[in-house]
Amino acid sequence: EVQLVDSGGDLVRPGGSLRLSCAASGFTFSNYWMNWVRQPPGKGLEWVASINQDGSEAVYGDFVKGRFTISRDNARNSVHLQMNGLRVDDTAVFFCARRGLDPSRDWTLLPFDSWGQGTLVTVSS
Amino acid sequence: DIVMTQSPDSLAVSLGERATINCKSSQSVLYSSNNMDYLAWYQQKPGQPPKLLISWASTRESGVPDRFIGSGSGTDFTLTVTTLQAEDVAVYYCQQYLITPPTFGPGTKVDIK
Repeated sequence: EVQLVDSGGDLVRPGGSLRLSCAASGFTFSNYWMNWVRQPPGKGLEWVASINQDGSEAVYGDFVKGRFTISRDNARNSVHLQMNGLRVDDTAVFFCARRGLDPSRDWTLLPFDSWGQGTLVTVSS
Repeated sequence: DIVMTQSPDSLAVSLGERATINCKSSQSVLYSSNNMDYLAWYQQKPGQPPKLLISWASTRESGVPDRFIGSGSGTDFTLTVTTLQAEDVAVYYCQQYLITPPTFGPGTKVDIK
């Protein structure tokens, strides 16, 4: 069974830092792009960052502006999001999610087909 | 970025009746090289992460009941729940995955009337 377990969310002051983690199991982790998607309380979904299978390529939402870094450890089947310079409007539940590739369609990145349960990040003074 | 919009914001439907949710993208998500629409639908129940229901605009994921039907192409898409069940109460999101950043619609809340 595919399982993604998110952790690391906490209450942090504006300007502070936090490191989120996601532990994966039940699938060949190194075959998938891994991602973070966030959801502010009572609001919709917003993609944050993605990292490719071997960690050589990372992509971020424009709002990140160099504040966040996504990384992965394929030996430990885990993905992380280091967040610095946190702002009040970063308050959200952060979900880890995986995306596969479709070899029959030019190795297209597929939708987010498995999600963690989410971890709450609250930025407040 | 491709902007996704949805309508209505919310709807209430009687049990056993049809629920219809619309999704529109600011530019086509149809990839001409393979004639596929890069459009997905998710269901999110309170306190839970989203669940992928449909990809390629109309292909149900394994285990998704056949009362969930995705349709449309290009810029206009529809998710239909043909006979609403109590367990279908949720927020539904569309999402394009043609280009980065992947973008979501604002969501449509479905309740029981």
